[in-house]
This record gives sequence, structure tokens and C-alpha cells, in this order.
Amino acid sequence: KAGVTQTPRYLIKTRGQQVTLSCSPISGHRSVSWYQQTPGQGLQFLFEYFSETQRNKGNFPGRFSGRQFSNSRSEMNVSTLELGDSALYLCASSLDLASSGTGELFFGEGSRLTVL
Amino acid sequence: GESVGLHLPTLSVQEGDNSIINCAYSNSASDYFIWYKQESGKGPQFIIDIRSNMDKRQGQRVTVLLNKTVKHLSLQIAATQPGDSAVYFCAENMYSGGGADGLTFGKGTHLIIQP
Repeated sequence: KAGVTQTPRYLIKTRGQQVTLSCSPISGHRSVSWYQQTPGQGLQFLFEYFSETQRNKGNFPGRFSGRQFSNSRSEMNVSTLELGDSALYLCASSLDLASSGTGELFFGEGSRLTVL
Repeated sequence: GESVGLHLPTLSVQEGDNSIINCAYSNSASDYFIWYKQESGKGPQFIIDIRSNMDKRQGQRVTVLLNKTVKHLSLQIAATQPGDSAVYFCAENMYSGGGADGLTFGKGTHLIIQP
């Protein structure tokens, strides 16, 4: 079974630009979560989607948005990039707890964004 | 605000010894806790989880202990191996009852295995 796939793996942008990151979850997983990882703040929850609906959202500004498609693939977008947005963006998929009995998240290898 | 934190940023142990990684959490309403391992250049990998109605759970070479009285979580790794070198994160669930949505992660402990 293929794991969580994130694209692109690396990208460089300049301040003010926008970026879209893509995530393909494990087949059969309907929940997709996004996390930002930085050396200073660690892993921080961005949002979670289930069946194309945003179910939970972390404490990030509105510049951070996401969506999920009918095939469970997800994208996140960051607009008007700032230097502080430089980070590793991790996507994780999971079975819904109600159906699986476990909340285990399967992470991709991340998209490393550098903002210059 | 609510937070999950780790006591030590770095832990160095001899190969073959047992390792204990600690974690303190502050949200008494959290009812689901997970340990993750992150190797360099990779995403976090699930190790073991525990629900608040349990105080101990064992896996293969790993044991998680939960002390709800003092809001403390620990991960014990038996007979550590070079492949155990990684950053270990504890995480708590903050949104849904028992689910893995919206996890709050600790800062991480870097486990170094000395030959």
C-alpha cells in the first residue's frame, strides 16, 4: 500500500507570493490533516479535512487555507507569504476514529518551503 | 494556553540500555495520547498510543505510561538500538474525544544512541 505522498518536496518562494502544496493520502483514508513544523515552534496543527469538509482548524491566520477533493486528496494554500512561513509542511492521513478505533496518523515526508 | 511539553531536549543512552523519554501535558481534558518518532528527513512515524482510561500500554520494545494525577506521560524503549536514534514527540488530542484530529505536539526529545 502506497504511503502519504506530498508534492513538491522542496520549493523556494519570495515574500508576497502564494504557494499550493498537495497531499495524496493512503488509499481508503478519508481524514487528512496538515501540520507546520519549524525549529522554534515544533509541530503545529493547521487544519483537518474529512469527506471534503474542514472539521478542525488550528490557530493560523486566514492566509493559510486548504481543501479536500472527492478522492480525499488535499491541497493547502498559503497566500501573501512571509519569511516566517518558511517551514516543513506535513500532511497526515488517517482512518476516521469511529471506524478504525485508532487515531494513528500516517505522515508524508513533507514539503519544505523556503521564503526569501 | 494548553500545551504539551517535554522535560529534556536531548537524551543520550548507551546501545542496549533502556531509554525513558518524559512528557508533561497541561490539558486535563485530553483523553488520547500518542508517541511519534521522527528520523532525519522523514515525517513522524506512529509508535504507540494510549487512552486516558489506561495507565500502561506495551508494544514491541516500547511501553507508554500515563499518570493522569500529575499529567505525565513517558515512553520506555527497551534495549535501545542504533535505529532508535531520532526525535521523539508526544502528542495529545485536543479536539475530539479520543480521536487524532488536531493533535498538540510537544517540542520533541532527541534520542542519541551511543555505541
